[in-house]
Amino acid sequence: GAVVSQHPSRVICKSGTSVKIECRSLDFQATTMFWYRQFPKQSLMLMATSNEGSKATYEQGVEKDKFLINHASLTLSTLTVTSAHPEDSSFYICSATNTGLPTEQYFGPGTRLTVT
Amino acid sequence: AQSVTQLGSHVSVSEGALVLLRCNYSSSVPPYLFWYVQYPNQGLQLLLKYTTGATLVKGINGFEAEFKKSETSFHLTKPSAHMSDAAEYFCAVSLTGNQFYFGTGTSLTVIP
Repeated sequence: GAVVSQHPSRVICKSGTSVKIECRSLDFQATTMFWYRQFPKQSLMLMATSNEGSKATYEQGVEKDKFLINHASLTLSTLTVTSAHPEDSSFYICSATNTGLPTEQYFGPGTRLTVT
Repeated sequence: AQSVTQLGSHVSVSEGALVLLRCNYSSSVPPYLFWYVQYPNQGLQLLLKYTTGATLVKGINGFEAEFKKSETSFHLTKPSAHMSDAAEYFCAVSLTGNQFYFGTGTSLTVIP
């Protein structure tokens, strides 16, 4: 149980375009989902916390107009990188907490974004 | 504010040798503590966690960690390294169980 999926696993887009990444909890309801960004050989940096039905809370330094997060249901959160630039190329990982087990986060497999 | 320090960004051990990955945390109150493993181009897999109770925590793949409040440490160990243990390991701390703060990671290399 407690599986989180991400789609797509890899995406290449041209500079200036937008790309959407989906994060789904497959077998549990997640009231809270988190989006992380990971640069090569570095740690995960929390970008934002997404609560179902409300606006996401962004970490300091994260542009909310560039990284649009929507958490429309208890099993789906989306991250849209708008007007992508090469510096946005990174590994994006989502995670979700099971409403019954707040001390665990279940991580998705990640999405590799390359902006050319 | 919470923070996590992982000493040693790279650790190399021989196959069959002891694995010791260090993690120290800074927190105003005892936090929840986690160790995750990440294989190349994959997400994070939970190895083990400490929430309350017994300070020696056993996880998957033969790993264990001990919460030492006096030392604010949560070091990860495994008695005998296996080639398949080669990966990136992250220590994480959380006060609420929701917002996690990760260390910078330790890359483990296992030498045959």
